[in-house]
Amino acid sequence: DTAVSQTPKYLVTQMGNDKSIKCEQNLGHDTMYWYKQDSKKFLKIMFSYNNKELIINETVPNRFSPKSPDKAHLNLHINSLELGDSAVYFCASSQETLDTQYFGPGTRLTVL
Amino acid sequence: SQQGEEDPQALSIQEGENATMNCSYKTSINNLQWYRQNSGRGLVHLILIRSNEREKHSGRLRVTLDTSKKSSSLLITASRAADTASYFCATDAIDTGRRALTFGSGTRLQVQP
Repeated sequence: DTAVSQTPKYLVTQMGNDKSIKCEQNLGHDTMYWYKQDSKKFLKIMFSYNNKELIINETVPNRFSPKSPDKAHLNLHINSLELGDSAVYFCASSQETLDTQYFGPGTRLTVL
Repeated sequence: SQQGEEDPQALSIQEGENATMNCSYKTSINNLQWYRQNSGRGLVHLILIRSNEREKHSGRLRVTLDTSKKSSSLLITASRAADTASYFCATDAIDTGRRALTFGSGTRLQVQP
């Protein structure tokens, strides 16, 4: 069984569009994250949720809005997509905020 | 520069050789973690070493931590082609109170068969 899953795996879209990426974890973890990995492989945290409560929002444009309907899900909605949003987005989860993290397979977003 | 910087950025070795990657960080930590990322995949946790530990082993992996130098190393012994991946260190910067791990920029390891 997949521990952390995210959909879609690939997303190609035009500038200005709105898109969503979904994430689900079946590990029973309390904390979930969204990371952005750029073309140089640098991994930067965007958001962190603990028990559905937002605990980290790392200077991300407000075009990005996370939503956690329950502990097992953390979705990422992006409005008015820009070229610079092209990257791989990873969802991850952990029991506590600084514990071992389990990553999803990533969503490669390409904005044309 | 970033909390958690790996060195070298890229490493190419022959199968059977050992690979050593280093990580330097800036603030005090409770623990340091190493992750592996295969091409096109998510990161996978390899090993966690606590600030009161100096060395830890897991299979062919050996991690050392020197808190006085704020550095850690990951040694992969008898490397295999399947070890080809990017390796990242991650730290919890306890001085900042930030409730998130900070990942370095990674070392890309290529193991030639």
